Amino acid sequence: AQTVTQSQPEMSVQEAETVTLSCTYDTSESDYYLFWYKQPPSRQMILVIRQEAYKQQNATENRFSVNFQKAAKSFSLKISDSQLGDAAMYFCAYRSASAKFYFGSGTKLNVKP
Amino acid sequence: ETGVTQTPRHLVMGMTNKKSLKCEQHLGHNAMYWYKQSAKKPLELMFVYNFKEQTENNSVPSRFSPECPNSSHLFLHLHTLQPEDSALYLCASSFRGTSGNEQFFGPGTRLTVL
Repeated sequence: AQTVTQSQPEMSVQEAETVTLSCTYDTSESDYYLFWYKQPPSRQMILVIRQEAYKQQNATENRFSVNFQKAAKSFSLKISDSQLGDAAMYFCAYRSASAKFYFGSGTKLNVKP
Repeated sequence: ETGVTQTPRHLVMGMTNKKSLKCEQHLGHNAMYWYKQSAKKPLELMFVYNFKEQTENNSVPSRFSPECPNSSHLFLHLHTLQPEDSALYLCASSFRGTSGNEQFFGPGTRLTVL
């Protein structure tokens, strides 16, 4: 079965600085999708960014970008110009070709003013 | 809001009670999911429904009983729960097709079993 590993239980970043959250996954598939979700305290989990495995270009959404290394099975999230509202739990997720989802254990991001 | 609602938002129940969690999606999706979220653990997929048919049951104890009367509604019936079942229960929905459609989550029900 696929596994998703987030090795950083908690991280901190100064407001306006850049932070990178790590995610690795294990799979034997070649066709899959990767996601980063954000779960603010006591609020709904929302999608931050997605990456299709067949695309070599890294996805970007405003201040959020990924570094997708398919051979290394790595999918890190970079947050630039961090804002107080970025403080949340971040979950890395893998979607298989058969539409099964697997989530990591999450990284709690603290943003210091 | 993401179009997925869950009620109640908080629930406290004794081990002998019977209660139900409700999830409703207004996104026209064809798949719905129940997850259990415990502190410092990955989300645990419990059940998957595709077009009202249960397609996955990840060895969930029988004290959790799902029901999906249509593709917009999903229930989780609870009975004789244990304190270790206390957690945040999340509902999600998606298009279950070949494209990389993401899951949309509800706000969750915070369950406490006394």
